[in-house]
Amino acid sequence: GESVGLHLPTLSVQEGDNSIINCAYSNSASDYFIWYKQESGKGPQFIIDIRSNMDKRQGQRVTVLLNKTVKHLSLQIAATQPGDSAVYFCAETSGGNQFYFGTGTSLTVIP
Amino acid sequence: DAGITQSPRHKVTETGTPVTLRCHQTENHRYMYWYRQDPGHGLRLIHYSYGVKDTDKGEVSDGYSVSRSKTEDFLLTLESATSSQTSVYFCAISEIAGSYEQYFGPGTRLTVT
Repeated sequence: GESVGLHLPTLSVQEGDNSIINCAYSNSASDYFIWYKQESGKGPQFIIDIRSNMDKRQGQRVTVLLNKTVKHLSLQIAATQPGDSAVYFCAETSGGNQFYFGTGTSLTVIP
Repeated sequence: DAGITQSPRHKVTETGTPVTLRCHQTENHRYMYWYRQDPGHGLRLIHYSYGVKDTDKGEVSDGYSVSRSKTEDFLLTLESATSSQTSVYFCAISEIAGSYEQYFGPGTRLTVT
């Protein structure tokens, strides 16, 4: 079956530093990847996505990198702020309505 | 939460009792999903709907049924709740199949004792 994992369950960064959150996936047929942010007591919130025909995509303060060779993607957050403290998880799909989600990395921003 | 509400937000029930969770959207999105979220697991798809009265099973559908009689409402029913169904349940919506940007509701915390 599918597996989507994260390298580290927790990450602490100093305010203003850059954060990097990693994710590995196993399905080589996966063609679409998404990063979500989940704050305590809330539902997940879409951050950024990337298709398999791309290796990098940038948003506002966030960048997603995709390495299909090693089935790895990462989320980079620039100038991390206290409001970025949350659980971040990746999700992937090979099409259709079945999405597979990682377990999440808890990011703590130290003021 | 993009016009999505879930009710109840919290529920404690006993093993063997039926439970129905409701998801209501005001976005008129075609697709609706039910997920469960458990420690050590990512979100797992239970069932989804691609239109009124059109539903399909997800990864962990055993023990759950769904119904969608109106575009705006998607119900998740546990016919006979078990302790293994203690979880946080999230509803999500999306506009188009393959539009992977799903909008999630606030969640329902269900405890089965």
